[in-house]
This record gives sequence, C-alpha cells and structure tokens, in this order.
Amino acid sequence: KAGVTQTPRYLIKTRGQQVTLSCSPISGHRSVSWYQQTPGQGLQFLFEYFSETQRNKGNFPGRFSGRQFSNSRSEMNVSTLELGDSALYLCASSLAGLGTEAFFGQGTRLTVV
Amino acid sequence: DQQVKQNSPSLSVQEGRISILNCDYTNSMFDYFLWYKKYPAEGPTFLISISSIKDKNEDGRFTVFLNKSAKHLSLHIVPSQPGDSAVYFCAASDSNAGNMLTFGGGTRLMVKP
Repeated sequence: KAGVTQTPRYLIKTRGQQVTLSCSPISGHRSVSWYQQTPGQGLQFLFEYFSETQRNKGNFPGRFSGRQFSNSRSEMNVSTLELGDSALYLCASSLAGLGTEAFFGQGTRLTVV
Repeated sequence: DQQVKQNSPSLSVQEGRISILNCDYTNSMFDYFLWYKKYPAEGPTFLISISSIKDKNEDGRFTVFLNKSAKHLSLHIVPSQPGDSAVYFCAASDSNAGNMLTFGGGTRLMVKP
C-alpha cells in the first residue's frame, strides 16, 4: 500500500512569489491535514480537509490556503511568500473517522530567498 | 500557550535499557494521543496511540501510559536500540473536532551502543 506522497520534495522561491504544494493521501483516507515545521515554532497545524471541505484551520494568515479534490488529493498554496515561510511542510492523511492515526508524507522543504 | 509540552529536550540511554519519554498537556478536551518518531528532513513516523478511555497501550517494544488526572503521558521503549535514536514527538487531539494534532516540542533520544 503506497504511503502519503508529497511533491515536490524541495523548492526554492523568491520573496513575493506564490507556491503550490501537492499531497496524495493513502488510498482510502479521506482526511488530509497540513503542518508546518520550523526550528523556532516546531510542528504547527495549518488546516484539515475532509470530503473537499475545510474542517479545521490553524492560526496562520490568509496567505496560506488549501483545497481538496474529489479523489482526496490536496493542495496547499502560499501567496506573497515571506522569508519566514521557509519551512518543512508536511501532509498527513487519516481515515474518515475522528480520532484516528495520522500518517505523514516525507514533506516539502520550501526555501524562500 | 503551549497545550502540549515535552519538558526534556534530550535523553541519552544505554542500549538494552529502558527509554522513558514524557509529555504533559493542559487542554482537558484532548482525548486521543499519539507518539511519532522523526528524522531530520523527513516526515514523522507513527509509533503508537492511546485513547482516553484506556490508560495503557502496548505494541511490541513500545508502551504508552496515560494518566488523565495528571494530564500526563509517557512512552516506554524496552529494550532501547541504537536505531531508536531520533526525535520523538507526542501529539494530542480532540477527536470530536477532527484530526487536528497539537504537537509537543519533541525530545531527542540518543541510544548509545
């Protein structure tokens, strides 16, 4: 069974640009969540999507957005990139039920220069 | 306001001995807890979870204990192996609110041969 796949693995962008990251969850998983990991702030929740609807949102500015498609694949978008957006972005997938294990992808390392 | 705390940033243990990693939480709505192992620049790997209706869960060398009254959980690894050396994160969720995970800051475990 394939795991969570995130693309691309590495990305370098310039301040002010926008970026789109992609996540394909484990087959059969309908919940997809996104997290940001930085050295200073640790692992922080961005948002969760379930059945194409945002179910939860973390405390991030509106420049961070996401969506989920009917096949459960998800994308997150960051507009007007800032240097502080440099981080490892992680996607996690879970079965449909609440309170189930979340399995993470390898992450996308975004560097903003 | 850190709702999940891992107060020991690092732990060093001899191979074959027990490793005990601790985690405290403040949000009484949390009812589902997970432990993850993580290597640099990779996604967290799920280890073990526990629901608040239980006080112990075992899976091979890993055992998680939950003390709800103290809002404390711990992960025991017995026996510890050099391959267990990594950063360990505890995470908590309110299962009535979705699959949003709140992470602790992590504990770096070093198992010496």
